[in-house]
Amino acid sequence: GAGVSQSPSNKVTEKGKDVELRCDPISGHTALYWYRQSLGQGLEFLIYFQGNSAPDKSGLPSDRFSAERTGGSVSTLTIQRTQQEDSAVYLCASSFPGAPLHFGNGTRLTVT
Amino acid sequence: AQRVTQPEKLLSVFKGAPVELKCNYSYSGSPELFWYVQYSRQRLQLLLRHISRESIKGFTADLNKGETSFHLKKPFAQEEDSAMYYCALTLTGGGNKLTFGTGTQLKVEL
Repeated sequence: GAGVSQSPSNKVTEKGKDVELRCDPISGHTALYWYRQSLGQGLEFLIYFQGNSAPDKSGLPSDRFSAERTGGSVSTLTIQRTQQEDSAVYLCASSFPGAPLHFGNGTRLTVT
Repeated sequence: AQRVTQPEKLLSVFKGAPVELKCNYSYSGSPELFWYVQYSRQRLQLLLRHISRESIKGFTADLNKGETSFHLKKPFAQEEDSAMYYCALTLTGGGNKLTFGTGTQLKVEL
């Protein structure tokens, strides 16, 4: 079946603009994660959704970052007023609870 | 708070040599440990998890609670093992977030 799908695969935006990144998880997976992958920083946890529970937003770096998951499926990560330090690869992953994560190919964000 | 440390950013070995990628963790409860791998131009994927106690692609990892380590080992490195390796930790029982280390780039030279 289809894996985790992320769009766009690449996004170039000007500093100060807002961006939306989309994630389509594997059907039936109740857990959904967003991570940020930067050179030398490894995988930085951003936010975690599990079923109908309140999301774990403890990794969001500032209030410019927000995410939602509609209908327990598709998720959108929004970055407002982008800054150059937001440039990174944003990875989405989904899983059944306690099961290994399935990752998407990521969205490479470049803020100029 | 849970934390995963991978002290080596880059590890370079010759083909046929043994490989050990280090991973140390800090967590006060009972953790579940994983190794994920990302080959060039591929998505990040699970390599192995400690509860499975299995060998994948010749790699093994033993959880040492006394030393809080989960080092990844392979007796004879192959060129196709060149990749980025991430150690990760979560709480036992599921439903909890996965915390990753900063990763180690393994380069196997001929």
